[in-house]
Amino acid sequence: DADVTQTPRNRITKTGKRIMLECSQTKGHDRMYWYRQDPGLGLRLIYYSFDVKDINKGEISDGYSVSRQAQAKFSLSLESAIPNQTALYFCATMPGTGTTTDTQYFGPGTRLTVL
Amino acid sequence: AQSVTQLGSHVSVSEGALVLLRCNYSSSVPPYLFWYVQYPNQGLQLLLKYTTGATLVKGINGFEAEFKKSETSFHLTKPSAHMSDAAEYFCAVTPTGFQKLVFGTGTRLLVSP
Repeated sequence: DADVTQTPRNRITKTGKRIMLECSQTKGHDRMYWYRQDPGLGLRLIYYSFDVKDINKGEISDGYSVSRQAQAKFSLSLESAIPNQTALYFCATMPGTGTTTDTQYFGPGTRLTVL
Repeated sequence: AQSVTQLGSHVSVSEGALVLLRCNYSSSVPPYLFWYVQYPNQGLQLLLKYTTGATLVKGINGFEAEFKKSETSFHLTKPSAHMSDAAEYFCAVTPTGFQKLVFGTGTRLLVSP
């Protein structure tokens, strides 16, 4: 079984709809991240969380919100989806030891299309 | 603030040829540097990383990268390309202390027979 899972894998929705993307991990990592990937722009950080009580905005958080329901679960919400939020969304986790062994592990991605 | 620049959005090589993907970074503090690979319809997978110590870093699938502080570079190389290397490659940087990654815009590697 995959260590970092994302649901759904694909979603098509309409402008104005509320959408939730979910991420679950079995790696026991404290830190979780949400990125979006757009062609030619690479990955950009939306939100990140260092533990259940710690949520931080990334570089492109406008129009998004997150919830860290448990150590293993980190959800991304689009309250009112718009077409320019069409992208590939990735969740990632990291141990957070603060040492050189820290590495981010990525989920398989969710392809979201907003019509 | 940290940033990375990847020169060339697409790189084409023939099977068996040298692969060179360029990455330059900007960081006001000693950086940690990473290369990730994304195969079609998959998430990102770590190829290699530089944190401290030896500046030539070996990764998976025969790739390696050299940290050159004087050139602020961390170029990715592989002596002989294989068809299975066709993917998108991302360079990323984080300051020591490692809170979040900053990614480059990616380079798509195309390998022809």
